[in-house]
Amino acid sequence: NAGVMQNPRHLVRRRGQEARLRCSPMKGHSHVYWYRQLPEEGLKFMVYLQKENIIDESGMPKERFSAEFPKEGPSILRIQQVVRGDSAAYFCASSPQRTQYFGPGTRLLVL
Amino acid sequence: AQSVSQHNHHVILSEAASLELGCNYSYGGTVNLFWYVQYPGQHLQLLLKYFSGDPLVKGIKGFEAEFIKSKFSFNLRKPSVQWSDTAEYFCAVNEGGSGGGADGLTFGKGTHLIIQP
Repeated sequence: NAGVMQNPRHLVRRRGQEARLRCSPMKGHSHVYWYRQLPEEGLKFMVYLQKENIIDESGMPKERFSAEFPKEGPSILRIQQVVRGDSAAYFCASSPQRTQYFGPGTRLLVL
Repeated sequence: AQSVSQHNHHVILSEAASLELGCNYSYGGTVNLFWYVQYPGQHLQLLLKYFSGDPLVKGIKGFEAEFIKSKFSFNLRKPSVQWSDTAEYFCAVNEGGSGGGADGLTFGKGTHLIIQP
């Protein structure tokens, strides 16, 4: 059973561009979570999704950030008009119910 | 709101020493508790978890943790560390009980453990 897959692993964007991060959950997992890790900080919860539904987005910045988990395909975290402060590692986790398993992360660098 | 404190940001030990990493959380209700480890260049891996029952939980690689409800603590222990235990360790919590468990996790800032050979 393959683990949680994330791509790309590294992403470089210039200020003002869009970043799209993808996450494929483990087989049989219906819950997907996104977290952000800033330098010298722990992981911060951003959003929790199930298929076609956002369950909890209390950790998402109010502007420029959005997430989806369509019926088919991976979950997408989208950051519009990136700024330097968006540079971070973004981790996805999936869960069958209570235990979350993490992917390798996407390192976003905004120039 | 929940919060998690890991008081030791950096710990340096020699091989064969005993390890205890502190984790305290603030939340008044039922909780689920987790320890994750991140080895250099790798993703987070689950070390152990507590949902209910026996407060002493055993995980992988010889690690264990004890949930002490009165102290809001979930400290991680290992009797004899190895060089390969060098990694970042994260404590995490979410709401437990029959109605919870699927929420996003609240993480501590992590403890960077270095084991000297």
